[in-house]
Amino acid sequence: DQQVKQNSPSLSVQEGRISILNCDYTNSMFDYFLWYKKYPAEGPTFLISISSIKDKNEDGRFTVFLNKSAKHLSLHIVPSQPGDSAVYFCAARGFLIQGAQKLVFGQGTRLTINP
Amino acid sequence: DTEVTQTPKHLVMGMTNKKSLKCEQHMGHRAMYWYKQKAKKPPELMFVYSYEKLSINESVPSRFSPECPNSSLLNLHLHALQPEDSALYLCASSPGLAGGYTQYFGPGTRLTVL
Repeated sequence: DQQVKQNSPSLSVQEGRISILNCDYTNSMFDYFLWYKKYPAEGPTFLISISSIKDKNEDGRFTVFLNKSAKHLSLHIVPSQPGDSAVYFCAARGFLIQGAQKLVFGQGTRLTINP
Repeated sequence: DTEVTQTPKHLVMGMTNKKSLKCEQHMGHRAMYWYKQKAKKPPELMFVYSYEKLSINESVPSRFSPECPNSSLLNLHLHALQPEDSALYLCASSPGLAGGYTQYFGPGTRLTVL
């Protein structure tokens, strides 16, 4: 039962253009969503997050959009740069227990930015 | 400062060895996590400590034994592992109650079991 899905295993975008990474979820109880970027042999790096009470959050070149009715979120990167080439994971907060939380991750999308 | 450190960076061990992975954070976070990540897969949660107490054990085999000596340190003791346990082991931390939801990950320990 995959509650968070990233249906595109890979995406190739030209440098300077917009990159759009998509994520779908099935559990309407998720109330917080995060995007992480991961380079090979490194830990995931937090990029941006959004609460379920909002529909947009922006941080520099990164914007996350949330469509609750469609249970869909997307990460927009503009303009795309070669250093953005990495695997991007979407994650949803499952539940809280005593201040800790369980994140449910999607399978990841490998983004390649071409010069 | 959002740094989580992990040692060692790489570890090769035999199936009869006992070894430990170490994780440290000095951000005052009260929740710490161990994840396992296989190639081309998302991180898979293993254990969660909240306020130095084990909150979640995701049915991990007993050959993996977590320990949280204090609020800044998290260890993962390994014993009698199998080759299929070879993976990248990630540590993460998050603030805890009323402190925000973001988990910050360390660089990981690449474990190879021979």
